[in-house]
Amino acid sequence: AQSVSQHNHHVILSEAASLELGCNYSYGGTVNLFWYVQYPGQHLQLLLKYFSGDPLVKGIKGFEAEFIKSKFSFNLRKPSVQWSDTAEYFCAVNALYGNNRLAFGKGNQVVVIP
Amino acid sequence: DGGITQSPKYLFRKEGQNVTLSCEQNLNHDAMYWYRQDPGQGLRLIYYSQIVNDFQKGDIAEGYSVSREKKESFPLTVTSAQKNPTAFYLCASSIGREATLSYEQYFGPGTRLTVT
Repeated sequence: AQSVSQHNHHVILSEAASLELGCNYSYGGTVNLFWYVQYPGQHLQLLLKYFSGDPLVKGIKGFEAEFIKSKFSFNLRKPSVQWSDTAEYFCAVNALYGNNRLAFGKGNQVVVIP
Repeated sequence: DGGITQSPKYLFRKEGQNVTLSCEQNLNHDAMYWYRQDPGQGLRLIYYSQIVNDFQKGDIAEGYSVSREKKESFPLTVTSAQKNPTAFYLCASSIGREATLSYEQYFGPGTRLTVT
């Protein structure tokens, strides 16, 4: 079974600080990888995704993530956060040619202090 | 305006009662999903359906039931057998059931169920 690990469930940082959220998964085959974000009171929405090609993926609102196959990782980064980045962030993995289900990590609650 | 609708936003029930949560999508998606979100637990899959009249259990299906009689609708019933039903329930859909298609899931606004 797929599993997805996200560490440091609560992250507190100041505006303009850099953010990196780790995501590791346990599946040896071909995967699709996603980061979703849930802003306070809003729908869960897609931040970025990796299917194939360039392992450095750019998403909305200045976020990017890097797929490192050898490390089974898909870490999310933003060089300079804003107060509006306060949200919960979820990493998710879909193993291709499996049962087409997404496995989600437990999430990172990020609070940006103005 | 395409999207996923879940109603109601808040739902209160007494223990021992069954309750049905609504999920409707007008995105013409084949696949639909129900998740449960608890603080610090992430999203856990309850049931999913890849095509009309077919559905499969997810990781935490006990105490829940679903139906998929129409492509656009995937209601979830929380039965009295569910030991800890108070939670935030999210419905999602995706474009196709084949592994080679884009597999982004689109989420509804959620229903917060409180059982006392």
